Amino acid sequence: NAGVTQTPKFQVLKTGQSMTLQCAQDMNHEYMSWYRQDPGMGLRLIHYSVGAGITDQGEVPNGYNVSRSTTEDFPLRLLSAAPSQTSVYFCASTYGGPDNYGYTFGSGTRLTVV
Amino acid sequence: SQQGEEDPQALSIQEGENATMNCSYKTSINNLQWYRQNSGRGLVHLILIRSNEREKHSGRLRVTLDTSKKSSSLLITASRAADTASYFCATDLSGGSEKLVFGKGTKLTVNP
Repeated sequence: NAGVTQTPKFQVLKTGQSMTLQCAQDMNHEYMSWYRQDPGMGLRLIHYSVGAGITDQGEVPNGYNVSRSTTEDFPLRLLSAAPSQTSVYFCASTYGGPDNYGYTFGSGTRLTVV
Repeated sequence: SQQGEEDPQALSIQEGENATMNCSYKTSINNLQWYRQNSGRGLVHLILIRSNEREKHSGRLRVTLDTSKKSSSLLITASRAADTASYFCATDLSGGSEKLVFGKGTKLTVNP
């Protein structure tokens, strides 16, 4: 199993550009989430999904869109990149429910907006 | 706002010593989880403790949970240089675990 795969690993955008961060998991996990990690801030939840066709906002959703058309994929779209979105982005997944045993994380996408 | 708050923010110990990190949280939880992050890497799940459990072990890791004090601790025994990493506690905010909220982490340095 590959686990959670994030692409790209690094990206530089100009202010105002849009892009999609890809996330795919091959573990048939129901729950998937996107986090951003900034120095001194820990991880903050952007959007999450409890299954195909279902998404919801997390703590810091502004400027980001998500969709979940399949169980495997959970892309994160930046609509109009801003310097404040410079961060490391992590995608994570889990089975969820009362038997949840923790999230599996991807290796991250380091995004710089200039 | 952050749900969990780790303490201390940074910890430096010698190899072989024990390392204790604490986590306090604000609201009722379904479970609490601890993760490790090596520099520049993704997070790795270490252990999950449910709200009806008080203590859990996994290898050299020992986690305790006190729901009356809304706090948890992670003990790493006989630390090794390879344990150098940041450690995060995470709590769920709803009945399930679809909304996991992280603290800011404790940066542990184990000196050889």
